[in-house]
Amino acid sequence: NAGVMQNPRHLVRRRGQEARLRCSPMKGHSHVYWYRQLPEEGLKFMVYLQKENIIDESGMPKERFSAEFPKEGPSILRIQQVVRGDSAAYFCASSPIGGRLNEQFFGPGTRLTVL
Amino acid sequence: DQQVKQNSPSLSVQEGRISILNCDYTNSMFDYFLWYKKYPAEGPTFLISISSIKDKNEDGRFTVFLNKSAKHLSLHIVPSQPGDSAVYFCAARTDKLIFGTGTRLQVFP
Repeated sequence: NAGVMQNPRHLVRRRGQEARLRCSPMKGHSHVYWYRQLPEEGLKFMVYLQKENIIDESGMPKERFSAEFPKEGPSILRIQQVVRGDSAAYFCASSPIGGRLNEQFFGPGTRLTVL
Repeated sequence: DQQVKQNSPSLSVQEGRISILNCDYTNSMFDYFLWYKKYPAEGPTFLISISSIKDKNEDGRFTVFLNKSAKHLSLHIVPSQPGDSAVYFCAARTDKLIFGTGTRLQVFP
């Protein structure tokens, strides 16, 4: 049973470009969470999605960031018009159930570097 | 507003000795806590957890203690091994995970 997969593992973008980060949850998991880790900081929650639904996006920046988890295919975290401050490691986690009993399994992360 | 705090950014311990990593939280409504271990260039991996109805949970070399009145938990690793060198995050679980800032543990021979 493959774990949570994220691609690309490393992504380099110039300021103003778009970044698309993909996350394939573990088989049987329908709940996906995105976290961001800035240099020298802990992981910060961004967004929680179920298939075709955004459940909690309280950690998402108000502009330029969006996330989706379509019925088919991976979850996508999209950052438009990237700026240097977006450089971070972005981790995806999945769980078989949501709510307070979620058991989250993390992917290896995507390291975004904005030049 | 940091609801989960790890005040020691780093810890250095000799192999064979005990490592004690600390974590404090501010929200008394938190009722489930986890410790994750993270190696460079990898995602966090679950290590051990504790429910607020307990004050101790043990799994091999790893023990987590919870002091609800002090809103404090700690992770004990004994004996420490060089392979334990990593960053350790504590987290409170609600419908998402709220992480501390991490403690980098270095176990030297």
